[in-house]
Amino acid sequence: NAGVTQTPKFQVLKTGQSMTLQCAQDMNHEYMSWYRQDPGMGLRLIHYSVGAGITDQGEVPNGYNVSRSTTEDFPLRLLSAAPSQTSVYFCASSYSAGEGYGYTFGSGTRLTVV
Amino acid sequence: QKEVEQDPGPLSVPEGAIVSLNCTYSNSAFQYFMWYRQYSRKGPELLMYTYSSGNKEDGRFTAQVDKSSKYISLFIRDSQPSDSATYLCAGIGRRGSTLGRLYFGRGTQLTVWP
Repeated sequence: NAGVTQTPKFQVLKTGQSMTLQCAQDMNHEYMSWYRQDPGMGLRLIHYSVGAGITDQGEVPNGYNVSRSTTEDFPLRLLSAAPSQTSVYFCASSYSAGEGYGYTFGSGTRLTVV
Repeated sequence: QKEVEQDPGPLSVPEGAIVSLNCTYSNSAFQYFMWYRQYSRKGPELLMYTYSSGNKEDGRFTAQVDKSSKYISLFIRDSQPSDSATYLCAGIGRRGSTLGRLYFGRGTQLTVWP
């Protein structure tokens, strides 16, 4: 049971490049989310999903795309990287309801855009 | 106004002190409330999970929810230097815009000195 796995752990991009942050969970969780964390800003929700094929925008969705073709995977795509997207990105997953509802977080991806 | 408000601190206490961390929320649709602990350069980890009003105790930690005043609290008894971390409160619901979406406060940075 690996929990929530994020890859890569570190990445440096040039402005304008695109890339995909990978997130996978092996807990059969229905809910998955992507957050970014910046100093003084707390955790801000980018996109989230309540099941395969269902996604919705969070607080700061601009510049990011997601898809949820399987229950296990929830990749985050940066379309054209900008320095403002330099941040730590966390993926999280949860059961849909009831006990165990709390989200489990991955260890994060530190992204620098130069 | 953020859905969940939390004083960012920082909060500094001596070892053995009782720590009180507090949040307020504005969305009446929240049904579940959580406290996360985040150590420096790590992902958030679920510390406490509560449903509805009342207290929940786990060792040195007590989570309290008062839905009538929309107030969430976390108490840490006999605080230890290992409790030094950022503590984030969060709420989530089961309908509308709260379904599957975790709303975080900005986090309170706690330091417990020996």
